[in-house]
Amino acid sequence: EDQVTQSPEALRLQEGESSSLNCSYTVSGLRGLFWYRQDPGKGPEFLFTLYSAGEEKEKERLKATLTKKESFLHITAPKPEDSATYLCAVEETSGSRLTFGEGTQLTVNP
Amino acid sequence: NAGVTQTPKFQVLKTGQSMTLQCAQDMNHNSMYWYRQDPGMGLRLIYYSASEGTTDKGEVPNGYNVSRLNKREFSLRLESAAPSQTSVYFCASRDRGVSSGANVLTFGAGSRLTVL
Repeated sequence: EDQVTQSPEALRLQEGESSSLNCSYTVSGLRGLFWYRQDPGKGPEFLFTLYSAGEEKEKERLKATLTKKESFLHITAPKPEDSATYLCAVEETSGSRLTFGEGTQLTVNP
Repeated sequence: NAGVTQTPKFQVLKTGQSMTLQCAQDMNHNSMYWYRQDPGMGLRLIYYSASEGTTDKGEVPNGYNVSRLNKREFSLRLESAAPSQTSVYFCASRDRGVSSGANVLTFGAGSRLTVL
């Protein structure tokens, strides 16, 4: 059974204070690892897909990395508008659905 | 470009009542999904339809039924609502393939359901 664990559950940063969110996963074979952002009262919004260990992707202040057991979402010099819940999900090679972690709620204070 | 549209956005039911959540996508996606989201439990898959004409159970299918009406529409029905079904429900869709952007789930805005 696929498992996805995200840490920390909540993270509070000051504007400009860089940090990382963690997503640990267990799958028999990884087809893809997905990062989503979710704002209160809205549906998740796609950020990145990573397919193989060593892969990295960047978008503005966000950078996602992947190893064989975990993924990190690095946030560089965050701004208050980066405040949201960040969700990680995995899809295994034999499956047709995604398994989500519980998310990390990020708050960036001005 | 509407993407994934869910109706209704909010609904209050009494225990034992039935209702249907509607979902439609205009991206010509093959696969559609229904998730529920509860505090501390993340997104859990209820049912999915890998392609038109097929449906399969997810992690938490008990108490729900689904219908893939056509390629665009995928509905979720609660036959006899229970307080444990109070949740936020999300419909999602995606294309399956190897092209860039494939396999990415696109979500609707959610339907907040309260069962009293």
